[in-house]
Amino acid sequence: DGGITQSPKYLFRKEGQNVTLSCEQNLNHDAMYWYRQDPGQGLRLIYYSQIVNDFQKGDIAEGYSVSREKKESFPLTVTSAQKNPTAFYLCASSPQGVLNEQFFGPGTRLTVL
Amino acid sequence: AQSVTQPDIHITVSEGASLELRCNYSYGATPYLFWYVQSPGQGLQLLLKYFSGDTLVQGIKGFEAEFKRSQSSFNLRKPSVHWSDAAEYFCAVGQAGGSYIPTFGRGTSLIVHP
Repeated sequence: DGGITQSPKYLFRKEGQNVTLSCEQNLNHDAMYWYRQDPGQGLRLIYYSQIVNDFQKGDIAEGYSVSREKKESFPLTVTSAQKNPTAFYLCASSPQGVLNEQFFGPGTRLTVL
Repeated sequence: AQSVTQPDIHITVSEGASLELRCNYSYGATPYLFWYVQSPGQGLQLLLKYFSGDTLVQGIKGFEAEFKRSQSSFNLRKPSVHWSDAAEYFCAVGQAGGSYIPTFGRGTSLIVHP
């Protein structure tokens, strides 16, 4: 089955530690995205990548970093510089082009203690 | 810049009743419009989308939406709600050309009473 996987589902970390969230897709999509979701705030774009080895900052990139070394993988690192990292993180992908919807993974809930 | 407003944070309906979720957008050109649904603790699933043509679009799970350019709206409707429709609903607007980065509304939480 084609789709997007995110792991782990739940993640706990101590304050001050960096943590990496995994996102893998086997849909052969060119573009991938990371969103942060907080209650009542909808989805906010952290980073996106339209092609391998290239990525762009979204609206709330501070305290986060990404890499895109392979087409199918787009890991997100939440660094200790992120002031309030506890949130639900969603990864998405889409085929290249303007007429395509996004396909979302199941999400990772990160809790920083 | 494009923006999306979902004026209702919560909507409560009885099972079997009709439903309308509101979405208003701000964008100069013809927008690309989407409705997604999210069950608790899950990712988003596309319900329907509008790019051009017929302004009334049909989606999955019995949902439909109507694009009204004069009102800058893209409201989601369902004639008879089922308990399983309880979820969070997001409207999103995209733009033509260049990078495709949609803007999402804040979401509307649908509560269904038996």
